[in-house]
Amino acid sequence: DAMVIQNPRYQVTQFGKPVTLSCSQTLNHNVMYWYQQKSSQAPKLLFHYYDKDFNNEADTPDNFQSRRPNTSFCFLDIRSPGLGDAAMYLCATSSGETVEKLFFGSGTQLSVL
Amino acid sequence: KQEVTQIPAALSVPEGENLVLNCSFTDSAIYNLQWFRQDPGKGLTSLLLIQSSQREQTSGRLNASLDKSSGRSTLYIAASQPGDSATYLCAVRPSSNTGKLIFGQGTTLQVKP
Repeated sequence: DAMVIQNPRYQVTQFGKPVTLSCSQTLNHNVMYWYQQKSSQAPKLLFHYYDKDFNNEADTPDNFQSRRPNTSFCFLDIRSPGLGDAAMYLCATSSGETVEKLFFGSGTQLSVL
Repeated sequence: KQEVTQIPAALSVPEGENLVLNCSFTDSAIYNLQWFRQDPGKGLTSLLLIQSSQREQTSGRLNASLDKSSGRSTLYIAASQPGDSATYLCAVRPSSNTGKLIFGQGTTLQVKP
């Protein structure tokens, strides 16, 4: 009965080879988030959607893009992964942008060779 | 700019001890504060959410308090068990920046049998 599902659990890609991570939710939440967490660091927000409204963090590299084709799915595209992009990528959802609780998926661990 | 700090970075205790994890934040203008648990290589599991108007929340052996005026929260774990070993993260939701959760770097807890 997982509510926020991320696939795959582990992803290995080559330097410069585009990669897509996926997230789906069964909660029908309006808001979906992508966080990046490097080893022993705090999660850092890359961007989030409120419905189809896209909100990019100012310091998110252009190499990272996202798509949300419908309420249930959200994708993270890394156009040309570098070694510094190796990290855990966490997807989260919430029903709103203020007082609501965030629910996280189990994450995708990305390795770049 | 909101900053979240967790001290200590790591903690080791014998099984059965009661313990307190600390979280501090620099800007009291928040909607809420959320405590998470993260096992190695895994996603985030929400433990407790405290709204800005609340002083504490309890779930089983866990109790979280919030003192917004002083910018502090504590997570109290009673009768610790080896299964409590994990990294504990706190995150605040600033009322000035819609949508964003700002995380501390976490406290890694080891409970020894």
